[in-house]
Amino acid sequence: AAGVIQSPRHLIKEKRETATLKCYPIPRHDTVYWYQQGPGQDPQFLISFYEKMQSDKGSIPDRFSAQQFSDYHSELNMSSLELGDSALYFCASSLARLNTEAFFGQGTRLTVV
Amino acid sequence: ELKVEQNPLFLSMQEGKNYTIYCNYSTTSDRLYWYRQDPGKSLESLFVLLSNGAVKQEGRLMASLDTKARLSTLHITAAVHDLSATYFCAVESNNNDMRFGAGTRLTVKP
Repeated sequence: AAGVIQSPRHLIKEKRETATLKCYPIPRHDTVYWYQQGPGQDPQFLISFYEKMQSDKGSIPDRFSAQQFSDYHSELNMSSLELGDSALYFCASSLARLNTEAFFGQGTRLTVV
Repeated sequence: ELKVEQNPLFLSMQEGKNYTIYCNYSTTSDRLYWYRQDPGKSLESLFVLLSNGAVKQEGRLMASLDTKARLSTLHITAAVHDLSATYFCAVESNNNDMRFGAGTRLTVKP
């Protein structure tokens, strides 16, 4: 079965650069979530989209933005990167209408140097 | 604001023993999830609990939900080494996003 696809899997950026992370949800899933997980920490909710509209916002810095496109894929844009942005970034998707759980992608490991 | 608390945060068990992980949450929610995460890997869905009194079992793991007490438990029976991982509970907020507990880092020793 198709899973959530994230790209790239690994990304190394320098401070003050920008990064774009992509997420392709499971086909027909209507909800996408973005999470940030620092080393040894729990996933922190950043932002979510339902049917291409932003549905909730968590601890997402103003330097970050995200959107969901007409084909339901989502992108997380990160600007003015800081060392503290180094983390695993997970995207998850679910079919909210049917109360399914969220299925997570493999994550993008971002390292800011 | 929805807060999710797990305990214990660290758990070292011997093979063959039983133990329970607890997940408390602060506001009303009827949806609770348990995930497993191996180091550096993604989160794997274990259980979805959608109603008060829900109980689900898969192998040596059993999860339950008490929405009135705002409590879920993950019970481990006769632990084996392969269960070593970090276990997260996650609770769905009113806005349909999930908030995670801090995780329980389980180590099963022979």
